[in-house]
Amino acid sequence: NAGVTQTPKFQVLKTGQSMTLQCAQDMNHNSMYWYRQDPGMGLRLIYYSASEGTTDKGEVPNGYNVSRLNKREFSLRLESAAPSQTSVYFCASSEGVSSTDTQYFGPGTRLTVL
Amino acid sequence: EDQVTQSPEALRLQEGESSSLNCSYTVSGLRGLFWYRQDPGKGPEFLFTLYSAGEEKEKERLKATLTKKESFLHITAPKPEDSATYLCAVQEEGDSWGKLQFGAGTQVVVTP
Repeated sequence: NAGVTQTPKFQVLKTGQSMTLQCAQDMNHNSMYWYRQDPGMGLRLIYYSASEGTTDKGEVPNGYNVSRLNKREFSLRLESAAPSQTSVYFCASSEGVSSTDTQYFGPGTRLTVL
Repeated sequence: EDQVTQSPEALRLQEGESSSLNCSYTVSGLRGLFWYRQDPGKGPEFLFTLYSAGEEKEKERLKATLTKKESFLHITAPKPEDSATYLCAVQEEGDSWGKLQFGAGTQVVVTP
């Protein structure tokens, strides 16, 4: 039981390049989330998926797109990376029975955009 | 305007020196308050959820309490392995599904 896994662990991009961050969970959770964490700031929600087949914008969605591929997988895509997207990205999942269900986090992807 | 504020930003303790971390929030209605622990280079690890004023939860040397405007995380007789950043997050009544508003965290270092 690996919980929430994320790939890659580290990535360096040039401005304008695109990439997809992958996230998978093996806990049979319904809800999945993408956050970014910047120094001195709290984790901020980018997008979330309350259940398979649905996605919604969070607090900071601009410059990102998501795909809920199936119940297990939720990917985050940067179409044209910008230096402001340099951050650590975390994926999380929760049971999805209640909105206050515990969210379990993956190990993160550290992204640098030059 | 920040809705979740954690203090202090950093805390250095001697092993065995008890202390408290503060999380104050300004949301109009609280659905839940969450505490997480984050080690360097890792994702946040869930500790507690509190739902109503007066509620308390304990886990080993950690005890979380909740009032109408703030939560405290008490660390009793800390050990070096308690060194981590502790994150507080709130979920507000009326917020979209599962949305958590995080504070910036308190970095705790416990020295032997």
